[in-house]
Amino acid sequence: KQEVTQIPAALSVPEGENLVLNCSFTDSAIYNLQWFRQDPGKGLTSLLLIQSSQREQTSGRLNASLDKSSGRSTLYIAASQPGDSATYLCAVKKANFGNEKLTFGTGTRLTIIP
Amino acid sequence: DAGVIQSPRHEVTEMGQEVTLRCKPISGHNSLFWYRQTMMRGLELLIYFNNNVPIDDSGMPEDRFSAKMPNASFSTLKIQPSEPRDSAVYFCASSGQGLFNQPQHFGDGTRLSIL
Repeated sequence: KQEVTQIPAALSVPEGENLVLNCSFTDSAIYNLQWFRQDPGKGLTSLLLIQSSQREQTSGRLNASLDKSSGRSTLYIAASQPGDSATYLCAVKKANFGNEKLTFGTGTRLTIIP
Repeated sequence: DAGVIQSPRHEVTEMGQEVTLRCKPISGHNSLFWYRQTMMRGLELLIYFNNNVPIDDSGMPEDRFSAKMPNASFSTLKIQPSEPRDSAVYFCASSGQGLFNQPQHFGDGTRLSIL
């Protein structure tokens, strides 16, 4: 059974600093990995999706990497801003044709201190 | 462009009552997902549909839970009878079909409290 872990559960960083969020998964037979952010009282917003054949994806100040063999992914946020404060979740999709299920981590709650 | 729309946003009801949660996916999306989120268990997939057909309902906790998708633009999640342990935030998400898997788009959720 796939297990997805995100450590730490919470992180506080001064504004302007670069930071890395971690995600690890136990079964490397994945199809893709997604990073989401969740604001309080809101649903999840997809940030980046990395296919299993890719090593990284970038969007603005965000860069996500994937090392499938070691079961790890990182989300790098450059020049952090108070608006980046949210809970960040990673999720993996199993490598089964037609299987759309995602397994989520429990998230890292990020606070950017002005 | 309208996102995934869920209703109601909040629901408070007494134990034993029937609860119906509603979801309108993004137009053109052919996969729909129901999730439940709690502090203790995080985000759990309950059921998902592809082209209006239930594909995997292994996450549905008990027979008290049922879900339907009568057409491509509407789905319901029903709990009957409801219990206090069903209190959670319920999310609906949808995704489109493409050469590469499309990301899931989430609604803002229904916060359910069973007294």
